[in-house]
Amino acid sequence: AQKITQTQPGMFVQEKEAVTLDCTYDTSDQSYGLFWYKQPSSGEMIFLIYQGSYDEQNATEGRYSLNFQKARKSANLVISASQLGDSAMYFCAMREGTGRRALTFGSGTRLQVQP
Amino acid sequence: AAGVIQSPRHLIKEKRETATLKCYPIPRHDTVYWYQQGPGQDPQFLISFYEKMQSDKGSIPDRFSAQQFSDYHSELNMSSLELGDSALYFCASSLVPRGRSDYGYTFGSGTRLTVV
Repeated sequence: AQKITQTQPGMFVQEKEAVTLDCTYDTSDQSYGLFWYKQPSSGEMIFLIYQGSYDEQNATEGRYSLNFQKARKSANLVISASQLGDSAMYFCAMREGTGRRALTFGSGTRLQVQP
Repeated sequence: AAGVIQSPRHLIKEKRETATLKCYPIPRHDTVYWYQQGPGQDPQFLISFYEKMQSDKGSIPDRFSAQQFSDYHSELNMSSLELGDSALYFCASSLVPRGRSDYGYTFGSGTRLTVV
């Protein structure tokens, strides 16, 4: 079974509008972390936002917020006031359990912001 | 602030050749991770090191090996290269606080390997 599922291969949004990128996850661990990364065409992996499984409030970082619904195992990324520079690939990732664990990534969503 | 440094940025090799990728983690970060991202794919975990010892192993082919040195830099050695090894190879590092699980990862800019 897929650990991280991103069902939107591609998304379009108008500049200045908000957009939600979907992410669902599957784990039996009680302790886990959820991450969103942005990968522009240049290739680097840019950290956006983090949500811990025990965090009661949704994480926010500037224009990024994470809509964390633990019972539904979803961790959707909301980008407010989209900018042309937001056009990129977006990956949802999960670290399961505690200790020195690697990330498992979803298949990504390509976001295109239109003027 | 210092970031994770990877070298080279680009590498072109022929089939059956060998390649060595280098990663210099953020100072004081104790864990290094290697990922492979094929064209249009998500990053796949290969291997990780903690304090110079292998910590975890993912989908790393037997033709690949890696190690972490006394100065904490890590190298990924790839032999008998195949066309399918063409990918972006990321290194990431982290500092895992004792007793805590809310740590992050810093990724390098990656090495783009092309096998021809």
